[in-house]
Amino acid sequence: EAQVTQNPRYLITVTGKKLTVTCSQNMNHEYMSWYRQDPGLGLRQIYYSMNVEVTDKGDVPEGYKVSRKEKRNFPLILESPSPNQTSLYFCASSLRGTANTEAFFGQGTRLTVV
Amino acid sequence: DAKTTQPNSMESNEEEPVHLPCNHSTISGTDYIHWYRQLPSQGPEYVIHGLTSNVNNRMASLAIAEDRKSSTLILHRATLRDAAVYYCTRRGKLVFGKGMKLTVNP
Repeated sequence: EAQVTQNPRYLITVTGKKLTVTCSQNMNHEYMSWYRQDPGLGLRQIYYSMNVEVTDKGDVPEGYKVSRKEKRNFPLILESPSPNQTSLYFCASSLRGTANTEAFFGQGTRLTVV
Repeated sequence: DAKTTQPNSMESNEEEPVHLPCNHSTISGTDYIHWYRQLPSQGPEYVIHGLTSNVNNRMASLAIAEDRKSSTLILHRATLRDAAVYYCTRRGKLVFGKGMKLTVNP
């Protein structure tokens, strides 16, 4: 089954403790992207990747890092999480970063930083 | 960078058609228009996309204005399951705005 898998689905952590949210897709997609969703603010893009070893900042990249060492995985790294990073996070992928391909989303990771 | 404008919310009645508008007045000639929706407690899901011509699929229809500055997502017979937040986006980096909440009344 074609899917985007995020782990964990839920995470509670403390301020300053490094964490990684994993994202994996099994569709051989080139394009992957991370979003955060907060009440009243919609989906905001954090980082995106057009292909392996090619990443770029989205609209809200501060406090986050990403890497794309292999096509299927696109982990989101919070080196020193803070309470304002408490949010619902979504990973997405599409065949290419071009306009004529649909995107697939993971089920989300709800992160709480205390 | 979303550069699309949607109403904050709309209401519809079950089994009636519903037309969801989106304005994208600064769209370029190569930008596809994509629609996604997000059901409660789920990740967004693809609905439909198009460039110039109207498009139909099993979920919905997409009507694109001749000048491409606006488009309308058409749900031909709304069901309770169609209650969701709908996002209209110009496909590029796949940037979303706040979306539009559709309420379907039984």
